[in-house]
Amino acid sequence: ETGVTQSPTHLIKTRGQQVTLRCSSQSGHNTVSWYQQALGQGPQFIFQYYREEENGRGNFPPRFSGLQFPNYSSELNVNALELDDSALYLCASSLGGRRSYNEQFFGPGTRLTVL
Amino acid sequence: GESVGLHLPTLSVQEGDNSIINCAYSNSASDYFIWYKQESGKGPQFIIDIRSNMDKRQGQRVTVLLNKTVKHLSLQIAATQPGDSAVYFCAENMGEQTGANNLFFGTGTRLTVIP
Repeated sequence: ETGVTQSPTHLIKTRGQQVTLRCSSQSGHNTVSWYQQALGQGPQFIFQYYREEENGRGNFPPRFSGLQFPNYSSELNVNALELDDSALYLCASSLGGRRSYNEQFFGPGTRLTVL
Repeated sequence: GESVGLHLPTLSVQEGDNSIINCAYSNSASDYFIWYKQESGKGPQFIIDIRSNMDKRQGQRVTVLLNKTVKHLSLQIAATQPGDSAVYFCAENMGEQTGANNLFFGTGTRLTVIP
């Protein structure tokens, strides 16, 4: 186990709805990254938070947004859900921020299904 | 964008044999590569990493080789065991390009170990 937890485990939503996914980072880690993994694909980087600030973003629209809290836990929010948003959402925690190559520890993911 | 790919989507090996999983990358400026193992229902698990100033790195039963001339990465697993059955991803850290410690993953190779 990596010490990274995510909730909920599974979630079913309908198109147009909004969803919030949560991640608790490993103790002592100040950086959280979020990834989207479609079925049969590798994870795609969404964004990263370092000490409560966004520290890089992948090619995802603004309806994907996030937060990091003072305890370094994080939320991923997705508005106006689309069918293609159905995926496994992974968060990874690490120590360090900008240009830090410290190991990223992944949580088990949240499986989101959009109907 | 994503610049990491894999040569083979599936690989089957006999228990006890050695496994070799290959990966190509396109960004010659990338300087950090990681191999992850992902079992069904779990997040990616770190296996081994290598920086671009190295050609080879060994861990427990695993070896990563980096050929910068042809932009190729490989993961060798010695004496493959049934517990090694999983999907394996190579990932490229684009931190020097993006300023964030984010990873670009390939599609993955599914390794099946035949008892």
